[in-house]
Amino acid sequence: DAGVTQSPTHLIKTRGQQVTLRCSPKSGHDTVSWYQQALGQGPQFIFQYYEEEERQRGNFPDRFSGHQFPNYSSELNVNALLLGDSALYLCASSSPSALEQYFGPGTRLTVT
Amino acid sequence: RKEVEQDPGPFNVPEGATVAFNCTYSNSASQSFFWYRQDCRKEPKLLMSVYSSGNEDGRFTAQLNRASQYISLLIRDSKLSDSATYLCVVNDYKLSFGAGTTVTVRA
Repeated sequence: DAGVTQSPTHLIKTRGQQVTLRCSPKSGHDTVSWYQQALGQGPQFIFQYYEEEERQRGNFPDRFSGHQFPNYSSELNVNALLLGDSALYLCASSSPSALEQYFGPGTRLTVT
Repeated sequence: RKEVEQDPGPFNVPEGATVAFNCTYSNSASQSFFWYRQDCRKEPKLLMSVYSSGNEDGRFTAQLNRASQYISLLIRDSKLSDSATYLCVVNDYKLSFGAGTTVTVRA
């Protein structure tokens, strides 16, 4: 049973560029949440997708957008990258019947 | 005020010792709580859920005090493999994480 998977593992982008990160949830899970973790900090909630719609959103600008596909996989898009967007981006999935969320290995984004 | 605040540590303890630390949360209506463990440059992994009556999982004990809005984690008989950052998490439709408590167990 595959857990949560994310791609790519690492990414280096230049300021102003756009990036797309991908996530496949754990089998049986239909809800996907995205988090940003800066060095030395706990993960910060970006948004959550359920039934292909953004259900909740944290305090992130509109440059951060996402999508969920019919197979429950999800993408996180970040436009107009800033140096401060450099972080570990984590995807977590959960099932309708449980509160626990399970994390993927993350994508480490570096913006230069 | 931050949603979740933790003892930052670091806690540096010898093998076999007991170590305990707390976190506080701001939303009195919060209903579910967790401890996650995160190793360096890895993803957080669920350690245990925290129930109102307190719960134990092997050497780990979690307690919830709703009146004072804090959660605690106690690790007994520490092992070298317990060295990690422990994240206190409150679930209010989203997971709100503390900044983590770093524990280092030395031989």
